[in-house]
Amino acid sequence: AQSVTQLGSHVSVSEGALVLLRCNYSSSVPPYLFWYVQYPNQGLQLLLKYTSAATLVKGINGFEAEFKKSETSFHLTKPSAHMSDAAEYFCAVKGNTGKLIFGQGTTLQVKP
Amino acid sequence: GAGVSQSPRYKVAKRGQDVALRCDPISGHVSLFWYQQALGQGPEFLTYFQNEAQLDKSGLPSDRFFAERPEGSVSTLKIQRTQQEDSAVYLCASSLETTGWRSNEKLFFGSGTQLSVL
Repeated sequence: AQSVTQLGSHVSVSEGALVLLRCNYSSSVPPYLFWYVQYPNQGLQLLLKYTSAATLVKGINGFEAEFKKSETSFHLTKPSAHMSDAAEYFCAVKGNTGKLIFGQGTTLQVKP
Repeated sequence: GAGVSQSPRYKVAKRGQDVALRCDPISGHVSLFWYQQALGQGPEFLTYFQNEAQLDKSGLPSDRFFAERPEGSVSTLKIQRTQQEDSAVYLCASSLETTGWRSNEKLFFGSGTQLSVL
């Protein structure tokens, strides 16, 4: 069975600072991993995905994530936070029936 | 349409009422998912359709929950005799192709229906 754990339900950074959102996965097979962002009153939007190609994945809005098998991690980073990055972020793994299994989410707050 | 459309955007129901939530996927999309997102939680899978066939309903929490997609396009999630624990945002998502654990299709989410059961 597959699962993901997001460490930290709330992360607060200053504008211009590094963003680091943590995600660890559990999977008995090579995983497909995703990061989604959810802005208030909007649907989930795909930021990036890992599908066993390059371990460093670049996504939209300057975000990237690195797949580390040895650490079973897929942390999301952005070098410099913008106010517009404030949102809820979800890590997800694809289950063996094709459905996405989401983490609990991390709320990113960006302070001016 | 341009994206996945869900209606109503907000629904308030009295405990014991039946509700019906509608999802209009992107035209031509084969796969359709329903997810339930409780406050402060990540979305949890409810059910999956491939065209009109409901291939996976393992996430439906009780027999009060029922979903259909009779013509392979619009889908309706029905909840009978609503309970307070049913209060959540119900998300619909669709993708162009069939899904599978090694498929690479992109999933498009609607904005959800926020259900409040009083």
